Amino acid sequence: GAGVSQSPRYKVAKRGQDVALRCDPISGHVSLFWYQQALGQGPEFLTYFQNEAQLDKSGLPSDRFFAERPEGSVSTLKIQRTQQEDSAVYLCASSSEKPLEQYFGPGTRLTVT
Amino acid sequence: AQSVAQPEDQVNVAEGNPLTVKCTYSVSGNPYLFWYVQYPNRGLQFLLKYITGDNLVKGSYGFEAEFNKSQTSFHLKKPSALVSDSALYFCAVSLPGAGSYQLTFGKGTKLSVIP
Repeated sequence: GAGVSQSPRYKVAKRGQDVALRCDPISGHVSLFWYQQALGQGPEFLTYFQNEAQLDKSGLPSDRFFAERPEGSVSTLKIQRTQQEDSAVYLCASSSEKPLEQYFGPGTRLTVT
Repeated sequence: AQSVAQPEDQVNVAEGNPLTVKCTYSVSGNPYLFWYVQYPNRGLQFLLKYITGDNLVKGSYGFEAEFNKSQTSFHLKKPSALVSDSALYFCAVSLPGAGSYQLTFGKGTKLSVIP
């Protein structure tokens, strides 16, 4: 079946612009995760949803970052007033009721100029 | 706090030779341990995990890893490397319980298999 998809794959934003990154999880997966991967680093946890409930947002780096999953399926990560340090690959992952096996999407590479 | 160290930024191995990618971890408690592989322009792919039980874990594509509690290590191994194994490998850790979903990754090790 189809894996996790993310769009856009690449996004260039000018500093100060708002961006929205989309994640389509594997159908039926209740858990959804967002990670941020800086160049040359491993992914870092941002936030976790179980269905439409955001159960953990402890990894969001600032209040400019906001994530939602209103119908328990598609999720959007929004970054307001982007800064250069926001440049990274944003990875989405989903899992079934066993969150230990997370399936990752290809990521969105965000470049803030 | 939990952390993962992958001491080698890059590992080079000849095709057909055994490969090892090293990982050590630091957690307070018994860890869950994972290996993921990342190919260019693709998402991370799950290889294997250790939760409990047998210290030797077998995973996808012929890879295996051994959990060593005394050395706090979880090295990834394969008996005979293929050129197609060339990729970026990430070790990750989480803790049992309500927060087990929160993976902490190492910085990654680039594996190059030379024909």
